[in-house]
Amino acid sequence: AQSVAQPEDQVNVAEGNPLTVKCTYSVSGNPYLFWYVQYPNRGLQFLLKYITGDNLVKGSYGFEAEFNKSQTSFHLKKPSALVSDSALYFCAVRHGGNTGKLIFGQGTTLQVKP
Amino acid sequence: NAGVTQTPKFRVLKTGQSMTLLCAQDMNHEYMYWYRQDPGMGLRLIHYSVGEGTTAKGEVPDGYNVSRLKKQNFLLGLESAAPSQTSVYFCASRAGTGLAGGTHNEQFFGPGTRLTVL
Repeated sequence: AQSVAQPEDQVNVAEGNPLTVKCTYSVSGNPYLFWYVQYPNRGLQFLLKYITGDNLVKGSYGFEAEFNKSQTSFHLKKPSALVSDSALYFCAVRHGGNTGKLIFGQGTTLQVKP
Repeated sequence: NAGVTQTPKFRVLKTGQSMTLLCAQDMNHEYMYWYRQDPGMGLRLIHYSVGEGTTAKGEVPDGYNVSRLKKQNFLLGLESAAPSQTSVYFCASRAGTGLAGGTHNEQFFGPGTRLTVL
């Protein structure tokens, strides 16, 4: 069965420090992987995705993610965190063939402190 | 271009009442999805649609029905609400064109409906 795991419920970092939000996946076939961010009382916003090609994917707001096939991971990173990055982050993997259904991880709350 | 909109934003129901949540998108997307979000559980797919007039069950379909009579609208119905259906409901849509039937395309989400069932 296909699945996504985000092992940390919460990540705390100081403003200006690098941040990493972890995601591991289990899929059959080639994975299509996504990161979304949710600000309080808002819908999910797309950050970036990995489909194929370069293992380092760059996305919105200075975020990037590294696809590692051997470790089945797709960690979200940012070199220098901002207080405004504080939000709930979801990793997702496509499943279900052409239906494009997504399986989401349980989410990781990122708290960036000044 | 409003993207994906949802009505209502908030609703309180009593057990046994019925209601319909409306999702509308103006991006001409073929695919639409209904999710529910519960603390610590991420988003779970309730039903989805791959085109006008078609619907299919997702991960947690029990107690819900859907209809997609028009391409731009996707309705989620609760026939007899239960407290277990207290949740935040999100609608999403995505384009169906491109590689692998467009499955590489990201989904666009609405702002959500917060539903409480007493």
